[in-house]
Amino acid sequence: NAGVMQNPRHLVRRRGQEARLRCSPMKGHSHVYWYRQLPEEGLKFMVYLQKENIIDESGMPKERFSAEFPKEGPSILRIQQVVRGDSAAYFCASSPTTSGTETQYFGPGTRLLVL
Amino acid sequence: DQQVKQNSPSLSVQEGRISILNCDYTNSMFDYFLWYKKYPAEGPTFLISISSIKDKNEDGRFTVFLNKSAKHLSLHIVPSQPGDSAVYFCAASGSGGSNYKLTFGKGTLLTVNP
Repeated sequence: NAGVMQNPRHLVRRRGQEARLRCSPMKGHSHVYWYRQLPEEGLKFMVYLQKENIIDESGMPKERFSAEFPKEGPSILRIQQVVRGDSAAYFCASSPTTSGTETQYFGPGTRLLVL
Repeated sequence: DQQVKQNSPSLSVQEGRISILNCDYTNSMFDYFLWYKKYPAEGPTFLISISSIKDKNEDGRFTVFLNKSAKHLSLHIVPSQPGDSAVYFCAASGSGGSNYKLTFGKGTLLTVNP
């Protein structure tokens, strides 16, 4: 029973390029969450998605960031025109339901480095 | 404005002794609290949780205590083992429609020495 999968594990981009981060939730999980961890910080909520729906994107920067969870395939976090401040670890989590008491299972993260 | 604070960046403990990790929160709307453990280059792994209607929850070597009046919780690990060496994150979620949104502390690096 595979856990949450994220790829790539490491991503290097130059300023101005696009970054695409992928997340496949655990089998049977239809709720996906993205968190960002800046250096020396805790994880911060970015966005919550269900299949084909963005439920809460209150933690997403207003510009350059977007997320989707299509009917088929993984969830994608897209960062356009990356800047050095986007360098961080991006974690995806999934859960079978949306209850706050339902454990969120995290993937290994994608470490983005912007040069 | 940090709503979940872990004021000790690091903690060092001898194998076999008790490890106590602390966490404070400021948002009185939080009603569910979790501890996650994280090894380098991996994602956080769920460890134990507690609802605000309880003041203690125990699972094997791990016990979480919640003091609502003080807005404080702690994780006790006893006996500590070298494999427990990791970063421990305290997280909280609130009641209402956004209870899926976890708010994390900055973490405490626990080192258990053999």
